[in-house]
Amino acid sequence: QLQLQESGPGLVKPSETLSLTCTVSGGSISSSSYYWGWIRQPPGKGLEWIGSIYYSGSTYYNPSLKSRVTISVDTSKNQFSLKLSSVTAADTAVYYCARESVTYGRDYWGQGTLVTVSS
Amino acid sequence: EIVMTQSPATLSVSPGERATLSCRASQSVSSNLAWYQQKPGQAPRLLIYGASTRATGIPARFSGSGSGTEFTLTISSLQSEDFAVYYCQQYNNWPPSAFGQGTKVEIK
Repeated sequence: QLQLQESGPGLVKPSETLSLTCTVSGGSISSSSYYWGWIRQPPGKGLEWIGSIYYSGSTYYNPSLKSRVTISVDTSKNQFSLKLSSVTAADTAVYYCARESVTYGRDYWGQGTLVTVSS
Repeated sequence: EIVMTQSPATLSVSPGERATLSCRASQSVSSNLAWYQQKPGQAPRLLIYGASTRATGIPARFSGSGSGTEFTLTISSLQSEDFAVYYCQQYNNWPPSAFGQGTKVEIK
């Protein structure tokens, strides 16, 4: 059974960089059938796609966040990571990682991790 | 960018009744549409993909229909565990891949 698990600091100061890692277990991140994505959800609000990466390293970002987002992949560790720079309180959210397919949509999700931006 | 619009924002339904949720795309997404269920404090769960195919383990009371720009998620007889927020998402022109704003199904 595929599992995804987010990890990283739960508190980030304004203007600093948010860094999260998603560890994939029970399957290979190098599968050619899937992308790997980050999605966030501010408290009480809807879901916002942040960006996605293919195992080869090809990346795709939400235009509204593109200038601040970097997603990378480490196939040797079966992990992919998110960096969001110059954070503000508006970036406070639960951050999810997910497996993405052009056939199924997002079929596996991590449990999510709350990141609060505050001094 | 394709915009997904869901209606209504909130749907009040009694247990055992039928619930019908709508999702509209700003341009055709063929049948490349998924529905997700999210309960408080939980990650979204894939319910439907390909507009009408139930994901593994999803009960038969959930059904999806539509193609092009108009889609519907129907819950035939609402159970207590079905009260949640439901999101649609297109993956035809992807990335980017936006979600609809969600429909909250609440107990009437």
